[in-house]
Amino acid sequence: GAGVSQSPSNKVTEKGKDVELRCDPISGHTALYWYRQSLGQGLEFLIYFQGNSAPDKSGLPSDRFSAERTGGSVSTLTIQRTQQEDSAVYLCASSSHGGATYNEQFFGPGTRLTVL
Amino acid sequence: AQTVTQSQPEMSVQEAETVTLSCTYDTSESDYYLFWYKQPPSRQMILVIRQEAYKQQNATENRFSVNFQKAAKSFSLKISDSQLGDAAMYFCAYRSGNSGNTPLVFGKGTRLSVIA
Repeated sequence: GAGVSQSPSNKVTEKGKDVELRCDPISGHTALYWYRQSLGQGLEFLIYFQGNSAPDKSGLPSDRFSAERTGGSVSTLTIQRTQQEDSAVYLCASSSHGGATYNEQFFGPGTRLTVL
Repeated sequence: AQTVTQSQPEMSVQEAETVTLSCTYDTSESDYYLFWYKQPPSRQMILVIRQEAYKQQNATENRFSVNFQKAAKSFSLKISDSQLGDAAMYFCAYRSGNSGNTPLVFGKGTRLSVIA
């Protein structure tokens, strides 16, 4: 079946503009994660959705960042008033419902955001 | 908070030889998972191997194996019979075992080059 997809693949924007990044998780996966990968850095957790529960927003770096997940499927990460330091690859991952067992996170190919 | 440290920004290995990538982590939890992910230039994160902390036996997946030293909080990856296709960024990651779905904590990565 299809894996996690993300769009656009690349996005170039001007400082101060708003951008929306989209993630389509694997069908049936209830958990969805957003990570940010800045140049020379590992992946940094941003936000996590699990089913109908309130999202874990503890990783969002500022109030310019927000995300929503509609219908428990597609998710959109929005960055308002973009800054140059927002330039990074934004990766989305999804996993199936968990309990006390391990559930592999499957990653999308990411969106490379460049803020000029 | 948990942290993951990869002390080798870059490594290289001759084709068909063996290479070991290092990873240490810090946690006060007793139940957790450790992972090695591979990220080729396509940006797609690929799970290479995982280790459950409660298992004493080191995980093995074909040419990939780990040396898990729980007391030392060390989790190294050994790649045997290196192939050109192994060239990529490798990330060590930690996940709490308290529930089935929690975000991953990543190290900054090691760039592996394979020399023909």
